[in-house]
Amino acid sequence: EAQVTQNPRYLITVTGKKLTVTCSQNMNHEYMSWYRQDPGLGLRQIYYSMNVEVTDKGDVPEGYKVSRKEKRNFPLILESPSPNQTSLYFCASSVFGQPQHFGDGTRLSIL
Amino acid sequence: SQKIEQNSEALNIQEGKTATLTCNYTNYSPAYLQWYRQDPGRGPVFLLLIRENEKEKRKERLKVTFDTTLKQSLFHITASQPADSATYLCALDENRDDKIIFGKGTRLHILP
Repeated sequence: EAQVTQNPRYLITVTGKKLTVTCSQNMNHEYMSWYRQDPGLGLRQIYYSMNVEVTDKGDVPEGYKVSRKEKRNFPLILESPSPNQTSLYFCASSVFGQPQHFGDGTRLSIL
Repeated sequence: SQKIEQNSEALNIQEGKTATLTCNYTNYSPAYLQWYRQDPGRGPVFLLLIRENEKEKRKERLKVTFDTTLKQSLFHITASQPADSATYLCALDENRDDKIIFGKGTRLHILP
């Protein structure tokens, strides 16, 4: 089954404690992307990747890092999380210019 | 400034009627525009994609139009059903590069 898998689904943590949200896709897609979704602000792109070792900033990259060492994986790293990064996060993948497949989301709470 | 706007935050439509959602953009020249459905607590699910050289696309009860002169896309659900109640998002590629921009969405309620 074609899918994008995010882990964890839920996480409550504290300010400053490094965390990684993993994302994996099994569709051999070149394009992968991370979004955050906040009430009243909609979906905003954090980072995206066109292929292995190729990443670029979206609209809200501050406070986040990503890496793309393998085609199937695109982890999102919060080196020093802060409360304003409390949000619902989605990973997505696609062939570029084609519809995106989204994961089920990760709800992060930073206390 | 560049922006993408969906006509309203929420829309109530009587069951059986046609629901029409609007997506307007300024200062972009997208090669394509997409519509997604999102249910509470779930990731968006793709519905339709329309390219700049296409005027209209259909899929079952769904229809999308794309007017690059007006910088507008309309999304129609005909014979609407309560199960169509969800948030609908439009998205476009920002100036033909790799970035994808989403509108804030319209919450559609189909009233039985």
